[in-house]
Amino acid sequence: EIVLTQSPATLSLSPGESATLSCRASQSVSSSLAWYQQKPGQAPSLLIYDSTTRAPGIPGRFSGDGSGTDFTLTITNLEPEDFAVYHCQQRGRWPLTFGGGTAVEMK
Amino acid sequence: VQLLESGGASIQAGGSLRLSCEASGFTFASYAINWVRQAPGRGLEWVAEISGTGSSTYYAGSVEGRFTISRDNFKKTVFLQMDSLRAEDTAVYYCAKSLTTEWLGGYFDYWGQGTLVTVSS
Repeated sequence: EIVLTQSPATLSLSPGESATLSCRASQSVSSSLAWYQQKPGQAPSLLIYDSTTRAPGIPGRFSGDGSGTDFTLTITNLEPEDFAVYHCQQRGRWPLTFGGGTAVEMK
Repeated sequence: VQLLESGGASIQAGGSLRLSCEASGFTFASYAINWVRQAPGRGLEWVAEISGTGSSTYYAGSVEGRFTISRDNFKKTVFLQMDSLRAEDTAVYYCAKSLTTEWLGGYFDYWGQGTLVTVSS
């Protein structure tokens, strides 16, 4: 199965700063990668799919990039509601797999 | 769109449990539905997917042969039958709707609130 490795495990930032999250796949998944946001006690919500496409209603400060094995989620001008855990997920090959998550915490 | 899971419980290892996911607000039979779980303090793990018609199913290796996904399109409900439960199956189980009708094995645009399964050894 394809293993997704997210880094860093935790990112400590202040509101207004930018966050850069990484997701690396053990094999190429082409552009078949999504990012989800999960807040404590809540289900995940879809942010980005197909590496770069924002889901409906997602603000422009969230952007995705990458293809093959290396992917990035960038959040510019962090808002207080952006502090959460972010998961990547691939649909390039069965079984579908998720990364271990990156927590963006407030400094 | 709403997805509502039920059926979570505390159970002994080796036992069985059936989870349900009742859907509303979309053309249910057109979309694949997935189960995704999250062990306490851990990341997400995809468990199983069933196509809109129910004719195709897919499983994670960790549950294949023990879990069975099925659906009743008249009742707009997806089920996850879990047999031979193990302590490592302890998790919140979410059902999630596929983003698109165009392919299987996709992304998940709507999630339920989750139901907790606790397996004691």
